[in-house]
Amino acid sequence: KAGVTQTPRYLIKTRGQQVTLSCSPISGHRSVSWYQQTPGQGLQFLFEYFSETQRNKGNFPGRFSGRQFSNSRSEMNVSTLELGDSALYLCASSWITGGEAFFGQGTRLTVV
Amino acid sequence: GESVGLHLPTLSVQEGDNSIINCAYSNSASDYFIWYKQESGKGPQFIIDIRSNMDKRQGQRVTVLLNKTVKHLSLQIAATQPGDSAVYFCAEKGTGFQKLVFGTGTRLLVSP
Repeated sequence: KAGVTQTPRYLIKTRGQQVTLSCSPISGHRSVSWYQQTPGQGLQFLFEYFSETQRNKGNFPGRFSGRQFSNSRSEMNVSTLELGDSALYLCASSWITGGEAFFGQGTRLTVV
Repeated sequence: GESVGLHLPTLSVQEGDNSIINCAYSNSASDYFIWYKQESGKGPQFIIDIRSNMDKRQGQRVTVLLNKTVKHLSLQIAATQPGDSAVYFCAEKGTGFQKLVFGTGTRLLVSP
């Protein structure tokens, strides 16, 4: 069974631009969560989607948004990028909300 | 507020030794705790979990202990191997939610 797939693996963007990251969950999983990982703040929850609905949201500004499609694939978008948005963005999928989460390898975003 | 912290940022052990990684949590409402292992360039990998109605759970070479009285969680790795070298995170969440609150992480270094 294929794991969680995140694309792209690496991304370099300029401050002020926007970026879209993609996550394909494990087949059959309907819940997708996003996390930001930085050396200073560690792993922080961004949001969770289940059946195309946002179920929970972390303490991030409105520049961070996401969505989920009918096939459970999810995207997250960051607008007006800031240097501090440089991080590893991780996606995790689970069969149901509250189930065991399986993480992808992440997308490394660098904002210059 | 919510916080999950780790006592030691780095733990160095010899191959074959037993390792103990500790974690303190503050949210007494959390009822599910998980340990993750993160190797360089990879996303967190599930190791073992424990529910709040348990105080001990064993897996293959790993044991998780939960002390709700002092809000303390530990991961014991028996016969530590070089392949166990990684950063270990504890995480907590409430029932029915997918939001994981992660600790700061402990780097485990295993020398041959």
